[in-house]
Amino acid sequence: DTGVSQDPRHKITKRGQNVTFRCDPISEHNRLYWYRQTLGQGPEFLTYFQNEAQLEKSRLLSDRFSAERPKGSFSTLEIQRTEQGDSAMYLCASSSNRGRGYTFGSGTRLTVV
Amino acid sequence: AQKITQTQPGMFVQEKEAVTLDCTYDTSDQSYGLFWYKQPSSGEMIFLIYQGSYDEQNATEGRYSLNFQKARKSANLVISASQLGDSAMYFCASHLTQGGSEKLVFGKGMKLTVNP
Repeated sequence: DTGVSQDPRHKITKRGQNVTFRCDPISEHNRLYWYRQTLGQGPEFLTYFQNEAQLEKSRLLSDRFSAERPKGSFSTLEIQRTEQGDSAMYLCASSSNRGRGYTFGSGTRLTVV
Repeated sequence: AQKITQTQPGMFVQEKEAVTLDCTYDTSDQSYGLFWYKQPSSGEMIFLIYQGSYDEQNATEGRYSLNFQKARKSANLVISASQLGDSAMYFCASHLTQGGSEKLVFGKGMKLTVNP
């Protein structure tokens, strides 16, 4: 297992366009998380899946954001009508329990121009 | 609600010296966990060390140790024998281990620079 994979690593998009990011967690991990990290800040929680069920959403996840995890495997995070304020690093993490074992991916860096 | 405070924006240390990175936390919950992550310029969050609120001994992982002072709500990271590769951003984080939200709450981080 090569860990948590995120694709793409970098994305530059024009304001108003839609973008979609993908996260492939560690295969035996049933928990999957999305975080957003802006420059100079720590990551902020966006949403959490247990298997295919989205169990928790932050108020940061506006109605322009949607996340899915079909079949409880990979997950996608879509941002519609991107704004410059969406520019950030989007990090995915997975774990098998609520303990210490979170593994993060390398992130997708989004730049909205 | 949980809150993590890291007040040191940046620190410099000489190679082979020890360094302490400060972290204080605020939670009303009894069952929680505390983490330290390293984030190099490449972006990935690398797990360093974990301390559970009920763990009686301070956690250690190789050159990393966590100075856990529950009454003071502090969870400082000690890196012994700093290496040039330790230069990175360091984040303290917490989560609840029972009930409530599943999220990790992070501090703002601090930048460590190891000089040769």
